[in-house]
Formats: sequence, C-alpha cells, structure tokens
Amino acid sequence: SAVISQKPSRDICQRGTSLTIQCQVDSQVTMMFWYRQQPGQSLTLIATANQGSEATYESGFVIDKFPISRPNLTFSTLTVSNMSPEDSSIYLCSVVKGASSYEQYFGPGTRLTVT
Amino acid sequence: SQKIEQNSEALNIQEGKTATLTCNYTNYSPAYLQWYRQDPGRGPVFLLLIRENEKEKRKERLKVTFDTTLKQSLFHITASQPADSATYLCALDDSQGGKLIFGQGTELSVKP
Repeated sequence: SAVISQKPSRDICQRGTSLTIQCQVDSQVTMMFWYRQQPGQSLTLIATANQGSEATYESGFVIDKFPISRPNLTFSTLTVSNMSPEDSSIYLCSVVKGASSYEQYFGPGTRLTVT
Repeated sequence: SQKIEQNSEALNIQEGKTATLTCNYTNYSPAYLQWYRQDPGRGPVFLLLIRENEKEKRKERLKVTFDTTLKQSLFHITASQPADSATYLCALDDSQGGKLIFGQGTELSVKP
C-alpha cells in the first residue's frame, strides 16, 4: 500500500481567491490522480498528474482553473483558481504504485468550502 | 453513452446476513473492475480487483463476481458486521493509462 497525506485537510475560502492543495506520498509511485467529490456524489477524475510535464485533464476541466504540478515521483499539487461556491467539494489525490499495478490508494481528502 | 450504475437505494441488513451489492455498466469493455470502501470523511480504500477473464475473486468475507456478458459485477459480504457499514464504490478502468471511472456508490448499513 501507500501512505498519502494531503494539506490542508479543510479550508474555507472566499470567492475569487485560489487554494493550493498538496499531496505527499511516502514512496515513489508511477501515477498520481486528482479527483473531486461533491456532496453526496461519487468521484470525478479531474486530471492525471504527469511527472515533469503538463497534466492530462478530463473533459470539463481546464488547466487555467485547476493547474497541477508534479515535480517528482512523490509529490503533487492541485490549485483551485478563482474559486466560486460551485467549487465547494472534497478534493482527493490518489496514486498507483507500480507499472503492473492497477489499484489506487487515496489520500484523506481536502474539504473545501467557498463562501 | 457510457454509464455505471450501482444500487441507488441504501442497503440495510441484519448482522450476520450476506450483503449483496450490484454494479452494472453499459458501453464499456473494462479489462478489470475494482471495489472500494469509503467511510464518511475519508478517501476510498481499495478492497478487490477482478479481471475480465476471472469469474470470481475472494478475500476473507468478501466475494466479487464479474460477468462480462451481463456487464455486471456483484459484491458480497458474508457474515456481515456493523463495522462493514460504509459506502461501497465500484470502478472500471477506462483503458487509458490506469484511469478509473467510479459508480455513485451504495451505502450499506448493518444493524446489530
């Protein structure tokens, strides 16, 4: 398995501001993903964080709104930019450990409330 | 369009009984299917993976079946316990570099 931490665990932000969420893994991993989980909903994939290159975004998500960095094999950040109340959600990072692995290990999530 | 559907209603069962959760999908051809458990305020936790060429997989009190003809997976918890109460999510691979598509989840409540 993998131990994943996220910072902050929760935040309340004003509309128009930005928040950067950090994801730290205790070991090197091949893949890192960012998901959003809105209240009472399932997980929606935002993007795949690629080490040393631009993230791969899913339909409906754009880099200007959700810039992602992944400088190495154990760390990634997701920024939620120019926030609105619709961005209130739980943001989760997940990892896949090895090239022949498929199961994902999730961080505890960051609960974001935008007022 | 592609769709994953799980039991929309919450499932309430008595302790000791077997819980059966359903995951149906359309317009996918997944190479594997996974089940996760999610407790309130926490990230999902991986439980089991079953590949398209496997009919059944077991792990302790958990059993998963995968019928690619019916496009359905069943997830069973035998001898259920109150500690099994959680939301259970099924997820399919998107055949593109490890991405998963999640169902909406089924909330299971096991009463003592």
